[in-house]
Amino acid sequence: SQTIHQWPATLVQPVGSPLSLECTVEGTSNPNLYWYRQAAGRGLQLLFYSVGIGQISSEVPQNLSASRPQDRQFILSSKKLLLSDSGFYLCAWVGTGSTYEQYFGPGTRLTVT
Amino acid sequence: AQSVTQLDSQVPVFEEAPVELRCNYSSSVSVYLFWYVQYPNQGLQLLLKYLSGSTLVKGINGFEAEFNKSQTSFHLRKPSVHISDTAEYFCAVNGGYQKVTFGTGTKLQVIP
Repeated sequence: SQTIHQWPATLVQPVGSPLSLECTVEGTSNPNLYWYRQAAGRGLQLLFYSVGIGQISSEVPQNLSASRPQDRQFILSSKKLLLSDSGFYLCAWVGTGSTYEQYFGPGTRLTVT
Repeated sequence: AQSVTQLDSQVPVFEEAPVELRCNYSSSVSVYLFWYVQYPNQGLQLLLKYLSGSTLVKGINGFEAEFNKSQTSFHLRKPSVHISDTAEYFCAVNGGYQKVTFGTGTKLQVIP
């Protein structure tokens, strides 16, 4: 069966520090991968999605970036965090040829201080 | 383009009472529709999905939803809620694109 992992589970970082969040999927190949952010009291904001290795689409201009170095690995990064980057970050995957139901990881709670 | 509207940000309901969470969508093409549930500090979990066929869709935990094409709605219902149903519920739509559009969520609060 397929599983999706995210780490770390929680993170507290000072403003201006770098960020690296990792997401990996097991049990499937060539998935579409997605990064979302949930800010307090708001819905899901799509940040990036990827349909293959090295293919990244950005939805919102910001100081975050994403990379997909391997088929089942998706990384979210920042060189310098802002207070507004605080939130709950979720990774999700969709199987190729599927009907686009997404499967979510457990999330990373990021607090920028 | 596609969009989803969840008009109710919070819905309080007494335990064992019925509940309906509303979802309306817009899309220029035929859509797939989904409901997800999110418990505190967890990821989203798929409750149910409508792809085609019967307009009444049954999901996990006793939830069901009805697709109404003329009213562009996909409301979620449960005849009798439990304390454990307290969570946030998200409606989502996909018109065959690579991206899914989510609503802003409805927090269901079950009162003992």
